[in-house]
Amino acid sequence: DTGVSQNPRHKITKRGQNVTFRCDPISEHNRLYWYRQTLGQGPEFLTYFQNEAQLEKSRLLSDRFSAERPKGSFSTLEIQRTEQGDSAMYLCASSLRTSNYGYTFGSGTRLTVV
Amino acid sequence: GEDVEQSLFLSVREGDSSVINCTYTDSSSTYLYWYKQEPGAGLQLLTYIFSNMDMKQDQRLTVLLNKKDKHLSLRIADTQTGDSAIYFCAEIPTSGTYKYIFGTGTRLKVLA
Repeated sequence: DTGVSQNPRHKITKRGQNVTFRCDPISEHNRLYWYRQTLGQGPEFLTYFQNEAQLEKSRLLSDRFSAERPKGSFSTLEIQRTEQGDSAMYLCASSLRTSNYGYTFGSGTRLTVV
Repeated sequence: GEDVEQSLFLSVREGDSSVINCTYTDSSSTYLYWYKQEPGAGLQLLTYIFSNMDMKQDQRLTVLLNKKDKHLSLRIADTQTGDSAIYFCAEIPTSGTYKYIFGTGTRLKVLA
């Protein structure tokens, strides 16, 4: 297990198109998180899962955004009808439920909407 | 509101010590963290401190916590060019879930 894997690394899309990102967490981690990071800012929380249940969604996550984690393994984040303001780095992280000792982050997917 | 504040830039000479400061908001935060982000990469956990501690040392890293002032600092001894990166402090407010509140990050530049 080499850590948290995110695909693709980069995505360029035209405004109005739909995009989907994938995250594969560390296999024994039951918590999975999505964050968004815009240039010059710290990451902002979007949503998190415990196993397959989506337990919290940020107000940042408009109805154009949807996340899933079928079977409590990998997760997908879909953005419909992309807007230029969606351009950002989308970071996935995972952790054990009982751990307060930090997350393991993936390398992120950089989205550019043109 | 929930704001974790950091200074934006720090420049030091190779071999000197670096001190990165952070002011957090939730006095009930149980754990406070420091992450490092290199260009184009995700975040790497450097260290964390439990709120009942004042100091934690881990090799070249020293974390100091002043709960009264809600101030956290990260000292990097003998700073190397490979330490050039953005450093984020983060808290998990106990009133929330396990989501982090990150600062805006401090960009550390190490001059050879």
